[in-house]
Amino acid sequence: NAGVMQNPRHLVRRRGQEARLRCSPVKGHSHVYWYRQLPEEGLKFMVYLQKENIIDESGMPKERFSAEFPKEGPSILRIQQVVRGDSAAYFCASSPIGGLSDYGYTFGSGTRLTVV
Amino acid sequence: ELKVEQNPLFLSMQEGKNYTIYCNYSTTSDRLYWYRQDPGKSLESLFVLLSNGAVKQEGRLMASLDTKARLSTLHITAAVHDLSATYFCAVDGDLIFGKGTKLSVKP
Repeated sequence: NAGVMQNPRHLVRRRGQEARLRCSPVKGHSHVYWYRQLPEEGLKFMVYLQKENIIDESGMPKERFSAEFPKEGPSILRIQQVVRGDSAAYFCASSPIGGLSDYGYTFGSGTRLTVV
Repeated sequence: ELKVEQNPLFLSMQEGKNYTIYCNYSTTSDRLYWYRQDPGKSLESLFVLLSNGAVKQEGRLMASLDTKARLSTLHITAAVHDLSATYFCAVDGDLIFGKGTKLSVKP
């Protein structure tokens, strides 16, 4: 019973390139959350998605960042024209229900993005 | 805007000692979560506290929630080196995290 799978684990991009981060939730979980963690910081909420819907994107930067969770396949966090400040660890979490969960959330191992 | 504050942010303690980490949050929330993160690793769920007065214990860790005071505590009893990690509290459905408490347990 696989947990939340994120890939790649490490991603290096040059400034101006695009980064695509993938997240496959726990089987049966239809709610996905993305977080960004800067070194020595807590996790910052970015976006909450259900299948084919963005529920809350209040934490997403207005430009260059987008997220999707299609009917089939993993959730994708896309960062266009990356800059050095985008270097961080990006974590995905899933849960069987949305909103205030009694079960907590299962986190993936993260993707560590380095922009050079 | 919901704010979550943890203190202390850094905690160095000796094995065998007791200590408490505090988590304050700024608006009403009925659920509070504690997570542990080892360096370079993902987050491991420790406790989900669902109601006022909830207390949960696992090994040397005990968490409690006072929704009226908007305060949760994570109490460490007789610390051991294996507890060295960063501990985060989080609230609300989207999980708003505190900055974390980096715990180092020394022999």
